[in-house]
Amino acid sequence: TQLLEQSPQFLSIQEGENLTVYCNSSSVFSSLQWYRQEPGEGPVLLVTVVTGGEVKKLKRLTFQFGDARKDSSLHITAAQPGDTGLYLCAGASGGAQKLVFGQGTRLTINP
Amino acid sequence: EAGVTQFPSHSVIEKGQTVTLRCDPISGHDNLYWYRRVMGKEIKFLLHFVKESKQDESGMPNNRFLAERTGGTYSTLKVQPAELEDSGVYFCASSQATFFLTDTQYFGPGTRLTVL
Repeated sequence: TQLLEQSPQFLSIQEGENLTVYCNSSSVFSSLQWYRQEPGEGPVLLVTVVTGGEVKKLKRLTFQFGDARKDSSLHITAAQPGDTGLYLCAGASGGAQKLVFGQGTRLTINP
Repeated sequence: EAGVTQFPSHSVIEKGQTVTLRCDPISGHDNLYWYRRVMGKEIKFLLHFVKESKQDESGMPNNRFLAERTGGTYSTLKVQPAELEDSGVYFCASSQATFFLTDTQYFGPGTRLTVL
């Protein structure tokens, strides 16, 4: 069974600080996706990474896929209150399209 | 373009009763997925339809769960009889094509099921 360990599960920081969320596994994934989920809504895709070592940037968010495609990170620079939310990593492997999700990181940015 | 819709948004039933959840995918999306998040746990895959066919139902917990997608459009997920451990949020997602592993799955808002 493939598992994705996401850490930290909870993070509360001040506006302007930087943070990193990690997603680790002992399994190889062909792609890894990061989602953000708001209360009462479903997860919304932020980015997909598919190549080992790939780095993608989305404004102040930087996503990295590990060289071995077993881990990923989300780094937020100069966090803002609008970044508050639940962040989820999810991986797909082989020919399967089903997603394996991490437990999620509940991020709170305090003004 | 309308997104993935799910009905009902909330359902409270008693143990032993039957509940049917509905998902309407984005129009034209062949792939439809069901996922579930139980309290304190990660979102877990239940099953995957390609059009009206079950492509992968490896995540279905037991035979109390029955999913259908007649005509390849909307899907229903029936739980009969419901047990306490079935409580959670049930998400439906759809995606357009089957060719690429990176096809975006668009999620609905979920149905929160509470079994008392």
